[in-house]
Amino acid sequence: GAVVSQHPSRVICKSGTSVKIECRSLDFQATTMFWYRQFPKQSLMLMATSNEGSKATYEQGVEKDKFLINHASLTLSTLTVTSAHPEDSSFYICSARTPGTGELFFGEGSRLTVL
Amino acid sequence: SQQGEEDPQALSIQEGENATMNCSYKTSINNLQWYRQNSGRGLVHLILIRSNEREKHSGRLRVTLDTSKKSSSLLITASRAADTASYFCATASGSARQLTFGSGTQLTVLP
Repeated sequence: GAVVSQHPSRVICKSGTSVKIECRSLDFQATTMFWYRQFPKQSLMLMATSNEGSKATYEQGVEKDKFLINHASLTLSTLTVTSAHPEDSSFYICSARTPGTGELFFGEGSRLTVL
Repeated sequence: SQQGEEDPQALSIQEGENATMNCSYKTSINNLQWYRQNSGRGLVHLILIRSNEREKHSGRLRVTLDTSKKSSSLLITASRAADTASYFCATASGSARQLTFGSGTQLTVLP
């Protein structure tokens, strides 16, 4: 199946710094990507829908100035956690929708730890 | 927000036994999908069942869908230790392009 790559897989940062996570569709073009957040032993919560060439659509309760999403090309979406705090520590997962069938493929996730 | 609940939250069985997980959802759906997630990893798509289907098989997996009860079940037959993972159902509804996930079941298969 299609491959979605996330980078980095793990990142540790100090409180107050910003962290960028990349999501790439390796063998297909994705006009739409999705960003999820997952706390330990919990389900995935949709944060935002990333649309190539336009602004992301954020879910209710997700701060758009806190979680900056950029989908500058058909194969890359980035999530930047700005001024990170310990409560932002979580597992962030992206998914990308393939054209045609619209099937979703998920990245391996990025574990963010904010000290 | 989560579409629904899964039960049990955790299930522990012996290798060779069957594992059944249930998922309930709240709104009308186009399809329902099951995913598997190993600890600390991404999601792997297992199977999709459309709203007009009642049962679907894939290898050792059997999925049922009851739209009148807004529920689905995932059966894993002849379980193996390697099946240990979290299993999530996810629904796609209306014109929504994203998936809404259930709360998940943590399956442990003991060797």
